[in-house]
Amino acid sequence: SAVISQKPSRDICQRGTSLTIQCQVDSQVTMMFWYRQQPGQSLTLIATANQGSEATYESGFVIDKFPISRPNLTFSTLTVSNMSPEDSSIYLCSARAGDTQYFGPGTRLTVL
Amino acid sequence: GNSVTQMEGPVTLSEEAFLTINCTYTATGYPSLFWYVQYPGEGLQLLLKATKADDKGSNKGFEATYRKETTSFHLEKGSVQVSDSAVYFCALSEHSGGGADGLTFGKGTHLIIQP
Repeated sequence: SAVISQKPSRDICQRGTSLTIQCQVDSQVTMMFWYRQQPGQSLTLIATANQGSEATYESGFVIDKFPISRPNLTFSTLTVSNMSPEDSSIYLCSARAGDTQYFGPGTRLTVL
Repeated sequence: GNSVTQMEGPVTLSEEAFLTINCTYTATGYPSLFWYVQYPGEGLQLLLKATKADDKGSNKGFEATYRKETTSFHLEKGSVQVSDSAVYFCALSEHSGGGADGLTFGKGTHLIIQP
């Protein structure tokens, strides 16, 4: 299994600013992912964080808006750039160990 | 593309009732199937999984069987408790030649158990 921590756990931000979310895994993992859970909705995959190379984004998500770093096998960051109220969501980091994905507790973001 | 369809809630049951939450999927290959649970105020937790056809995943009294012929993975529990109140997500992961692939989630089913 994998234990995942995220910070911050929540934040309230102003429109037009950026927030960087950090994700730490307690063991080395090959695959890390970032998801978004909008209020009352299911989880949507934003991107796969690749170690040593650019992230792979899903349709509808772009690097300029959601830049991702993955400097090593246990850590990743997601930045939400130039935020608007529509970006208010819970952002979750995930890591795959074997054939199972484990999730962090999430970062609850509110954009005013 | 892949998709997961699950019954929408809220589903309200009395304690000790039998639970079924339906889940069907569409996938191009042979996915692994999962049920995740999100308790109020908590993060997403893996409840159970099955990686191939006819596998049965089980945990905490919950069961789900991977049915390839009906592309289903219905969640069942024989006697629910108030503490089972949560949102349940069905999900699939499709491995393609060792490449990265995230999970595709259903919309979630909110389960409410009344004493």
